[in-house]
Amino acid sequence: DAGVTQSPTHLIKTRGQQVTLRCSPKSGHDTVSWYQQALGQGPQFIFQYYEEEERQRGNFPDRFSGHQFPNYSSELNVNALLLGDSALYLCASSGGLEAGELFFGEGSRLTVL
Amino acid sequence: SQQGEEDPQALSIQEGENATMNCSYKTSINNLQWYRQNSGRGLVHLILIRSNEREKHSGRLRVTLDTSKKSSSLLITASRAADTASYFCATLPKGANSKLTFGKGITLSVRP
Repeated sequence: DAGVTQSPTHLIKTRGQQVTLRCSPKSGHDTVSWYQQALGQGPQFIFQYYEEEERQRGNFPDRFSGHQFPNYSSELNVNALLLGDSALYLCASSGGLEAGELFFGEGSRLTVL
Repeated sequence: SQQGEEDPQALSIQEGENATMNCSYKTSINNLQWYRQNSGRGLVHLILIRSNEREKHSGRLRVTLDTSKKSSSLLITASRAADTASYFCATLPKGANSKLTFGKGITLSVRP
């Protein structure tokens, strides 16, 4: 039973570029949440997708957008990258909107130069 | 913003000792969860305690919840070097459209 998978694991971008991160949820899960974790900090909620719609959003600018596909996989897009966007981006899946246990992927480490 | 705040920020103990970590939060919650993260890796769920529960056990883990004080503690008994990691408490506030919110974490070092 595959858990949550994320790609790529590491990437380096320059300021102003755009990035797309991908996530496949755990088998049987239909809800995907994205978190940003800066070094030495706790994960910060970006947004949550369910039934291909953004259901909740944290305090992140519109440069952060996402998508969920019919197979429940999800993408996180960040436009006009800033140095401060450097972080570990974590995808978490769950069965349904109510936040019981979240299953996390290993994350995508983004470095913006 | 972060709802939960863990205490202490860092903890260093000897293998075999017990480790106690605390979490305080600000608003009423539906549940509180503890997660573990090895350096630079994804988070792993440890235990969930609902607002109407006071104590829960899972293996060497014991979690308590005091909703009157808005606080929780995580006890790891008979610690092992492999328990070295960062530990986060996460709270789900009451109310519609609430989201699971994490604290800044506690760094636990268990010396062999």
